[in-house]
Amino acid sequence: NAGVTQTPKFQVLKTGQSMTLQCAQDMNHNSMYWYRQDPGMGLRLIYYSASEGTTDKGEVPNGYNVSRLNKREFSLRLESAAPSQTSVYFCASSQSSGNTIYFGEGSWLTVV
Amino acid sequence: KQEVTQIPAALSVPEGENLVLNCSFTDSAIYNLQWFRQDPGKGLTSLLLIQSSQREQTSGRLNASLDKSSGRSTLYIAASQPGDSATYLCAVIGLSKNAGNMLTFGGGTRLMVKP
Repeated sequence: NAGVTQTPKFQVLKTGQSMTLQCAQDMNHNSMYWYRQDPGMGLRLIYYSASEGTTDKGEVPNGYNVSRLNKREFSLRLESAAPSQTSVYFCASSQSSGNTIYFGEGSWLTVV
Repeated sequence: KQEVTQIPAALSVPEGENLVLNCSFTDSAIYNLQWFRQDPGKGLTSLLLIQSSQREQTSGRLNASLDKSSGRSTLYIAASQPGDSATYLCAVIGLSKNAGNMLTFGGGTRLMVKP
């Protein structure tokens, strides 16, 4: 019973490098989300995909891009990593907006 | 802009106590409110979801209430156990279409239940 799976779990990047966080859900959910969690700032929405083929900006989208590859997968890309993007990233999914939301285990990203 | 506040930020209680965690939000035009649990180094686990038309939801030893007009929700944990130690977060979804997909989270209450 995998639920929401995200990779990698840990990553260290140098400033300016790029990387993609992968996320997949096996619950046949329509909506998927990417959040970041920072001390003192709480959880903030980066991007979301209400359904396959659509993506929209959340509260803090600058410096990120996303791709809803298919119904199962939603990736987050950092094109040119900055130290301010050091954070814990969570992927999540729900049947649709307003339903119970399920989170992955998180990806710890450090940009040096 | 919706703001969600949780008080207290941290709480330590002896095992067996009943306890209440508080959540307040500034905009009462919400679609629903959710309570989550987060263990250290882990993701969030949904505990309870209360629709805006509901007053409370119960799951086992947990009971969550919602008073939309006053912008408040409480999570009641009965007979606390050391395994309840975690951070508890509440989050709301707004009613407007643009906010319909955005959960606004509180800062969380870090709970420690001592044996």
